[in-house]
Amino acid sequence: AQSVAQPEDQVNVAEGNPLTVKCTYSVSGNPYLFWYVQYPNRGLQFLLKYITGDNLVKGSYGFEAEFNKSQTSFHLKKPSALVSDSALYFCAVRDGDSNYQLIWGAGTKLIIKP
Amino acid sequence: DTGVSQDPRHKITKRGQNVTFRCDPISEHNRLYWYRQTLGQGPEFLTYFQNEAQLEKSRLLSDRFSAERPKGSFSTLEIQRTEQGDSAMYLCASSLGGTGTYEQYFGPGTRLTVT
Repeated sequence: AQSVAQPEDQVNVAEGNPLTVKCTYSVSGNPYLFWYVQYPNRGLQFLLKYITGDNLVKGSYGFEAEFNKSQTSFHLKKPSALVSDSALYFCAVRDGDSNYQLIWGAGTKLIIKP
Repeated sequence: DTGVSQDPRHKITKRGQNVTFRCDPISEHNRLYWYRQTLGQGPEFLTYFQNEAQLEKSRLLSDRFSAERPKGSFSTLEIQRTEQGDSAMYLCASSLGGTGTYEQYFGPGTRLTVT
């Protein structure tokens, strides 16, 4: 069965410091991996994806994520955090060889302190 | 704004009433998805359309729930005989299948409160 785990409910980072939001996954086939961000009272916004190719993928707003097949992880990173990055971040996975359903993590609240 | 719109944004209804939500996807997108999200949780998949065909339904989608996409454009999600447990945010998303893009674009959601 497919699953996604975001082990941290909340991550606190000082503005200007690097940030990491963790995600691990489990699928039977090739993973298609996604990160989305959700601001209060707003819909989910797509940040980046890994389908195939380079393990380091770059996305919107300066975010990037590293795919690690051996550790089944897809951690979201940013070199220098902004206060405006404070939001709820979701990791999602799709089993690329089978269906189109996205399975979502529970989300990580990112708080950037000035 | 992703280009996916949902109406209404908020709905308050009494238990036992029927409600219907509408989703207008990005116009060229052939795939449309419905999800449900409760506070503090990630979205839960409900159903998926490719054009007008409903291809996947979650076991979460009880017989009180029905979704349609009659002309392969907009979609409606109806909940009959609402229960308090139906209170949640209902999210619609769309994507362009067959192009290798894969990501889904979400609307702002419809927040349902059942009293």
